[in-house]
Amino acid sequence: DSGVTQTPKHLITATGQRVTLRCSPRSGDLSVYWYQQSLDQGLQFLIQYYNGEERAKGNILERFSAQQFPDLHSELNLSSLELGDSALYFCASSAWGTTSSGANVLTFGAGSRLTVL
Amino acid sequence: KNEVEQSPQNLTAQEGEFITINCSYSVGISALHWLQQHPGGGIVSLFMLSSGKKKHGRLIATINIQEKHSSLHITASHPRDSAVYICAVRSNFGNEKLTFGTGTRLTIIP
Repeated sequence: DSGVTQTPKHLITATGQRVTLRCSPRSGDLSVYWYQQSLDQGLQFLIQYYNGEERAKGNILERFSAQQFPDLHSELNLSSLELGDSALYFCASSAWGTTSSGANVLTFGAGSRLTVL
Repeated sequence: KNEVEQSPQNLTAQEGEFITINCSYSVGISALHWLQQHPGGGIVSLFMLSSGKKKHGRLIATINIQEKHSSLHITASHPRDSAVYICAVRSNFGNEKLTFGTGTRLTIIP
């Protein structure tokens, strides 16, 4: 157990629907990162939050949104789902806002596997 | 051309062999990560480098900033090392966007 908890582990839904993925960071970590891993695109950075504020944005579609709550858990909302959104969604956490320090470990959750039918 | 290239894409070796996985990148970076993804899908961060060399157990990671190249070495490889190894770079632009390589699938045969 890495200490980063993601729910649900698996989710099957239909095109056009909306889902919410949840992430609880490792105790004491202030930063949460979301990544998407699909068969054709590999791993891609979506978005980072640090202590409730958006810190960095990557290849996140407008249909997707995220937030980090005062208790530091984060949610990734995916709406108007398309077949191509089927992927593994990973959350990771770190203590600080940047991973450039050698002591700032990036810890991944087990992922949420989304299947859109 | 991808910003981060890994080679080889697939590697099969006998138990005990010395393994080298390479990562080349084309942009200026502030840090490079090596990640391990097991068949079940979970990802573990192995190393984060900005210069030089790091060692953890049988794993060694090196980086040459001038040549924009990093290597991950595994000594005395074991079947439990079988996994996908992914290189990711953090750019110089002051944010936390990681750009990932496509991974190297390593299989160690007993």
